[in-house]
Amino acid sequence: GAGVSQSPRYKVAKRGQDVALRCDPISGHVSLFWYQQALGQGPEFLTYFQNEAQLDKSGLPSDRFFAERPEGSVSTLKIQRTQQEDSAVYLCASSHGTSGSWDETQYFGPGTRLLVL
Amino acid sequence: AQKVTQAQTEISVVEKEDVTLDCVYETRDTTYYLFWYKQPPSGELVFLIRRNSFDEQNEISGRYSWNFQKSTSSFNFTITASQVVDSAVYFCALAGSYQLTFGKGTKLSVIP
Repeated sequence: GAGVSQSPRYKVAKRGQDVALRCDPISGHVSLFWYQQALGQGPEFLTYFQNEAQLDKSGLPSDRFFAERPEGSVSTLKIQRTQQEDSAVYLCASSHGTSGSWDETQYFGPGTRLLVL
Repeated sequence: AQKVTQAQTEISVVEKEDVTLDCVYETRDTTYYLFWYKQPPSGELVFLIRRNSFDEQNEISGRYSWNFQKSTSSFNFTITASQVVDSAVYFCALAGSYQLTFGKGTKLSVIP
């Protein structure tokens, strides 16, 4: 596809369940980012991959959050033992980002809306 | 620390009116990039523009224009002759590294 895709688009989980959110970046994009967007707020950075390497995970709110990109393309954000405060939209973005350059435009997917009951 | 402030939470205009969305930023970086994204009800963030800190030339793209003023740390966005399809939440963002720092967004409603 031409853009970033994410699945599922909506996820309802019971408190304590584990969830996995998938991101398919634009083909050939080296850099991949995850953001969390709470209701009525702007997106907030979670983590950054360059190819398969996770170079920054400083934005992950707790050790219940884990992200991976094992083959340098598709990425999965996993949340263990979900809590109500994890309810948010999780956005994935990718950029061409060769050679660690950071000034390239990030293109966003439609997001996964997670609701934890 | 970087910060982006979009003081206007919500704006309503009547179709064909012009509207300006304000963005003020704070950064200690000498090199940085500024962005505007549009988020329609579908939720996807749509890229509109990117400017680097060394280029203060204003830009026009169709009905959209951007005014970057480094002296006041502002990067304002004007929509001329607004249309109903412009209704969305608009985000200003700052990048001093690979992380984007977003403002809280301005919800624009264009009334027919």
